[in-house]
Amino acid sequence: GQNIDQPTEMTATEGAIVQINCTYQTSGFNGLFWYQQHAGEAPTFLSYNVLDGLEEKGRFSSFLSRSKGYSYLLLKELQMKDSASYLCAVILEHTGANNLFFGTGTRLTVIP
Amino acid sequence: GAVVSQHPSWVICKSGTSVKIECRSLDFQATTMFWYRQFPKQSLMLMATSNEGSKATYEQGVEKDKFLINHASLTLSTLTVTSAHPEDSSFYICSAQSAGLTQYFGPGTRLLVL
Repeated sequence: GQNIDQPTEMTATEGAIVQINCTYQTSGFNGLFWYQQHAGEAPTFLSYNVLDGLEEKGRFSSFLSRSKGYSYLLLKELQMKDSASYLCAVILEHTGANNLFFGTGTRLTVIP
Repeated sequence: GAVVSQHPSWVICKSGTSVKIECRSLDFQATTMFWYRQFPKQSLMLMATSNEGSKATYEQGVEKDKFLINHASLTLSTLTVTSAHPEDSSFYICSAQSAGLTQYFGPGTRLLVL
């Protein structure tokens, strides 16, 4: 089976930096996605990593180590609107399609 | 670009009725569409994968006769929850994928079965 782990909840202060970790054990790997999901809404795409290393996109960066089965999402200069769930998802080739398997998500609360 | 819509956004129905949810890719052609279900405070669980013109592939534990999926065109997939029961109440989200691996999600449909 597939196993993707993230912390359930995190709290951080406005203006600070927060790192959300994700570890995975999956059969097959075609890349890892990070999505942001506000309560009651659909996930929105943040980043995609398939090679080892850091991908930077504005205030958000994502890191991947395939050998360690590990990724993190780094959020800088936190804003109140960053309060949301952050979903780590591994893409697997499965029955001919490229399927996403999601972790449980990390609920981030940004406080003043 | 890469906008996915779902309709309806909210459904309340009586137990035993069937509910159809539409998923459309508005500005791109989706070779593959995915249907997910999300219960409160839980992550998304993949229900099925559908490719245009072929039968959907269902995940283990998802009843194909209860959750009927039709992917009639490159921009439209429908999920029909047949004979819905209260335990089917959930947030149903579709996503669409074109040439790349990124999935773009619809806004979701909240189903409440009384």
